[in-house]
Order: sequence, then structure tokens, then C-alpha cells
Amino acid sequence: EAGVAQSPRYKIIEKRQSVAFWCNPISGHATLYWYQQILGQGPKLLIQFQNNGVVDDSQLPKDRFSAERLKGVDSTLKIQPAKLEDSAVYLCASSWRQGARYTQYFGPGTRLTVL
Amino acid sequence: AQTVTQSQPEMSVQEAETVTLSCTYDTSESDYYLFWYKQPPSRQMILVIRQEAYKQQNATENRFSVNFQKAAKSFSLKISDSQLGDAAMYFCAYRRDPQGAQKLVFGQGTRLTINP
Repeated sequence: EAGVAQSPRYKIIEKRQSVAFWCNPISGHATLYWYQQILGQGPKLLIQFQNNGVVDDSQLPKDRFSAERLKGVDSTLKIQPAKLEDSAVYLCASSWRQGARYTQYFGPGTRLTVL
Repeated sequence: AQTVTQSQPEMSVQEAETVTLSCTYDTSESDYYLFWYKQPPSRQMILVIRQEAYKQQNATENRFSVNFQKAAKSFSLKISDSQLGDAAMYFCAYRRDPQGAQKLVFGQGTRLTINP
């Protein structure tokens, strides 16, 4: 079974530029999560999708971050414009359903550096 | 709001010995899940072990076991017979509402070093 795929693995941009990350979850997984992990901290949930609907985006900075999951499969997370404090690892995860008893499987993450 | 605290930023242990990582959490809920995740340098978070709050029996997975003290809101991870491959960041996490959409809340992490 293929795992959660993410691309790119690394991205370096200047502040005020825009960037997009892509995630392909495990086949059949209805729930998809985007996390932000700042160096030295645990991951923080940015947005959670159930199929193609948003379940929780309470911690997503909506003035600059956006995410979509068209057709309920792949997802993209965009930052526009980027700030220095957005430097972090962006992790995508998926689970079969949204309850806590369903294991979240994580991708390898995208390391973003904003200069 | 629920919080998860890992008071040990770093731990080290000799290969083949036993180490315990600490975690405490704060919640007013009675039904929830607790997790330990491992994050090696590859950055991919891997689930190590899970504990349902309604179960009194401590979860075990091969060399990994937990000590779940619900009244004390404590959830420690014991790694027996430590191996070099166990070296990683370990994160404790909490999630309430087993059936619903509540978010996973992570602690700050403990970096575990295994000395050969």
C-alpha cells in the first residue's frame, strides 16, 4: 500500500512570494489533514478535510493561507504572500475516517524556508 | 483548551537498556485517545502506540509500552531493549471525541538519543 505522498520535499522562497504544496493521500482515505511544524515544536493542525469539505480550519491564517481538496482526493495548500514566520515543515496526513480511533498516516513533509 | 506537556526536551539511553519518556495532559473530558508518535530525521511521523482513555489496561506494542494514569493525567512511554533505530523525536498527542472531528494536539517533543 502506497503511503501519503507530498511534493516538493524542499522549497526556498523570498518573503512576499507565493508557494504551493501538494498532497496525495492513501487511496480510499476520506479524511485529510495539513499540519504546520515549526522547528522545535510539535505539529499544529491547519486544516482538516472530510472528503472535499472543510471540517476544521480554525487555525488556518486565512488572510494568506488557502487549501482545497477537489474531488475529495489530492489536496493543495497555498501561501500567498509568504512571511518569514511561515518557515516550517508542512505535513500532510490522511486517515480512513475522521474519528480518533482511525490512525493518521503522515507524509514526509515539505520543508519551507522563507528568506 | 487541551494541552499536552513533555517536560524532557532530550533524553539519552544506552543501547539495549530501558528508557521512559514523560507526558502530561490537561483535559476535562472523560473519553479521549492518547498517542505516541515517532519522528525520525526523515520527518515522517509514525504512530508508535495508542491508548483509549476508557481502557484501564496499559497498551503495549512489542518493546513499547505505556503507563497511563488517568487521574494524574499522565501518559509515559517505556522503550525496552533500546535499539539504534529508536533514535528520533517522540511526540505525545491527545485527541478527544473518538467518533468526531476534533483535532490532534501534540506536545513539544522529546529528542531520544541511543548511545551504542
